[in-house]
Amino acid sequence: GAVVSQHPSRVICKSGTSVKIECRSLDFQATTMFWYRQFPKQSLMLMATSNEGSKATYEQGVEKDKFLINHASLTLSTLTVTSAHPEDSSFYICSASGVATEAFFGQGTRLTVV
Amino acid sequence: GQQVMQIPQYQHVQEGEDFTTYCNSSTTLSNIQWYKQRPGGHPVFLIQLVKSGEVKKQKRLTFQFGEAKKNSSLHITATQTTDVGTYFCAGRGTGRRALTFGSGTRLQVQP
Repeated sequence: GAVVSQHPSRVICKSGTSVKIECRSLDFQATTMFWYRQFPKQSLMLMATSNEGSKATYEQGVEKDKFLINHASLTLSTLTVTSAHPEDSSFYICSASGVATEAFFGQGTRLTVV
Repeated sequence: GQQVMQIPQYQHVQEGEDFTTYCNSSTTLSNIQWYKQRPGGHPVFLIQLVKSGEVKKQKRLTFQFGEAKKNSSLHITATQTTDVGTYFCAGRGTGRRALTFGSGTRLQVQP
């Protein structure tokens, strides 16, 4: 299957700082990328949908000014958690979708805010 | 909005026993996918079902899509310890590209 690379896999940051997470589709052009958040022992919750070259669409309850998404190219989307707080600690995972309907997931990023 | 419910939340079986997880959507789905997530890992795609009433098999795994395209099931025959993990269904509503994930069923297999 297609490969989606997500970086970093783990990050620990201080409260109030910002963290950038990258999601790259390595062998296909991802017109759409999705960002999910997963709390321990819970399901994946869609945060936003990003389409290459346009603004992301955020799900209800997700602060767009806090979770900045950029999808400047067909192979790269970034999620920046601004002014992170301990309650933002979670597992963030991206998935990319090209022409096919199957979603390919990155390895995920475990964010810990201390 | 679209909701996808999954039961049971957790199942503990003895190795060799069968296992089934059920998925129900509040709305009709254009397709449904199943994923497996090992502890600490990311979801791995298992299969996609598109047609009403569709049944697909992968070795010991059998996937079904309901006639109304609102429910689905995953059945594992003769579980093995390698089957341990959380199984998620994920549905795609008509005209929607994003997947809505079910709550997941965590499977534990006792050797």
